Amino acid sequence: GAGVSQSPSNKVTEKGKDVELRCDPISGHTALYWYRQSLGQGLEFLIYFQGNSAPDKSGLPSDRFSAERTGGSVSTLTIQRTQQEDSAVYLCASSPRARGTSDTQYFGPGTRLTVL
Amino acid sequence: SQQGEEDPQALSIQEGENATMNCSYKTSINNLQWYRQNSGRGLVHLILIRSNEREKHSGRLRVTLDTSKKSSSLLITASRAADTASYFCATAETSGSRLTFGEGTQLTVNP
Repeated sequence: GAGVSQSPSNKVTEKGKDVELRCDPISGHTALYWYRQSLGQGLEFLIYFQGNSAPDKSGLPSDRFSAERTGGSVSTLTIQRTQQEDSAVYLCASSPRARGTSDTQYFGPGTRLTVL
Repeated sequence: SQQGEEDPQALSIQEGENATMNCSYKTSINNLQWYRQNSGRGLVHLILIRSNEREKHSGRLRVTLDTSKKSSSLLITASRAADTASYFCATAETSGSRLTFGEGTQLTVNP
């Protein structure tokens, strides 16, 4: 079946502009996660959605970052007034999270964001 | 903050040799997962081991977990050039919670 997809695959923007990154999770997966990876670094957690529960936003680095998940499926990560330090690969993952299923997180290919 | 710490940071071996990567973490966990990443893009899940398990195998991969030492190791046997990638361990404190990743080990397998 289809895996996690993300768009765009690459995004170049100017400092101060807003960007929107999209994630389509695997169908039926109730949990959705956003991470980011700066050059040569490990992954940093940003936000987590689980079903209809309030999202865990504890990883968002500033109030310029926000995310929503509509209809329990597609998610959009929005970065307002981008800064150069926002340049990174933004990775989305989904997980089944139903009772008795695996905790494995399945990752999309990522969006490489470059802020000039 | 990064909980997992992999060692070594970089490992270069010849094809056919075994590769061992280690991971340490700080808090109690529900499970630990190993991922592979090629060319800085999407991560591929390799194996998940739960806190009540000590060892797990999947093909050429063998993972061990020592919760008393808060450490795990990933062994790749009979390595191939195609195994060249970055390998990350990631821990989940509770079932389904966010993953906390280490900095990764860059493995190079020379033909």
